[in-house]
Amino acid sequence: QKEVEQNSGPLSVPEGAIASLNCTYSDRGSQSFFWYRQYSGKSPELIMFIYSNGDKEDGRFTAQLNKASQYVSLLIRDSQPSDSATYLCAVGDEKLTFGTGTRLTIIP
Amino acid sequence: EAQVTQNPRYLITVTGKKLTVTCSQNMNHEYMSWYRQDPGLGLRQIYYSMNVEVTDKGDVPEGYKVSRKEKRNFPLILESPSPNQTSLYFCASSLKQGATGELFFGEGSRLTVL
Repeated sequence: QKEVEQNSGPLSVPEGAIASLNCTYSDRGSQSFFWYRQYSGKSPELIMFIYSNGDKEDGRFTAQLNKASQYVSLLIRDSQPSDSATYLCAVGDEKLTFGTGTRLTIIP
Repeated sequence: EAQVTQNPRYLITVTGKKLTVTCSQNMNHEYMSWYRQDPGLGLRQIYYSMNVEVTDKGDVPEGYKVSRKEKRNFPLILESPSPNQTSLYFCASSLKQGATGELFFGEGSRLTVL
């Protein structure tokens, strides 16, 4: 069974600071990695995907992938209260495995 | 506007009474998938479909059936629901062809089985 591990949090970060969310995965053959954001009572929403080692930036979000260490992270710069949500890491392709999520709270 | 529509959004039923949760997408995408979300367990994949008439099991398929007779629809069938199937269910469709992990989720269906 493939596993995706995340620290459940809650992770509290001051407004304007950098939030760092981490995820490890067990299947060394995994090729595709995703970050979803889920607000309370809402459905997950894709915010980042990364397929190659290294960094990928999109606005205030940066996804980092290290396949050798089986580690993927999400950095949120200039954190805003609207970033307060649960962040889900997902790994795989047609069979996608999700972590249990990290709850992030941005403190004004 | 891209949409994945699930019905019903809320349902309370009793053990053993067959039910179907419908899912329809308007993006003409081939890939669709069903997930259940439970506290502490996260999102777990039930079934997925790569195309019409092609379905496959996810991680937790027991007690569920699916069908994919046309591209836009992917219903989830609970033939004999049990209390351990009480959960929040999400249907999803891929955002673009070939990117089966880039998903667009429906609003969810909260099911309670008494």
